[in-house]
Amino acid sequence: AQRVTQPEKLLSVFKGAPVELKCNYSYSGSPELFWYVQYSRQRLQLLLRHISRESIKGFTADLNKGETSFHLKKPFAQEEDSAMYYCALRISLSNFGNEKLTFGTGTRLTIIP
Amino acid sequence: DAGVTQSPTHLIKTRGQQVTLRCSPKSGHDTVSWYQQALGQGPQFIFQYYEEEERQRGNFPDRFSGHQFPNYSSELNVNALLLGDSALYLCASSLLAVSSYGYTFGSGTRLTVV
Repeated sequence: AQRVTQPEKLLSVFKGAPVELKCNYSYSGSPELFWYVQYSRQRLQLLLRHISRESIKGFTADLNKGETSFHLKKPFAQEEDSAMYYCALRISLSNFGNEKLTFGTGTRLTIIP
Repeated sequence: DAGVTQSPTHLIKTRGQQVTLRCSPKSGHDTVSWYQQALGQGPQFIFQYYEEEERQRGNFPDRFSGHQFPNYSSELNVNALLLGDSALYLCASSLLAVSSYGYTFGSGTRLTVV
């Protein structure tokens, strides 16, 4: 069965310091991985997806199939990065809506001024 | 575009009752998924609807059922409510053809069972 693990429930980082939020997955097929973010009093929103290899708000994440990881990184933390971050694995079994997202338990990131 | 809208925002029910939650997907989206998020946990997949049919289901009992209408909106029904059903229920929509681009989530319905 598929699983997403985020080992840190809480992470505090000083402003300007590097950030790394860990995510490991288990899945026998070809994974599609995402990072979702939830800012205070806002809805869950997509931050980035591995297939696009993009940088959003200074964040990047590289899929490492050997280590089954998809860690989220940012070189210099900003106060507005304080939020709840969820790693998610998308599994698609067909082309007819047969898919789902499996989420990790989330990491609450706090940036210390 | 209002994005994904869910109603009601909050709900209090008594154990054993039944509840219906509603979701309107983002304009242009054709697929709706429902998630349950208990306090301190990540969202857990309940089921997904496409073309008015349930296509995929998570590990939830038959007390949880749903429906998708021709206009793509959806309902989640929970029968015989238990205290453990208290949670935030999230609706997410996507366009099936490009769902790898990610889902759009609603703000959720906070259900409290007493």
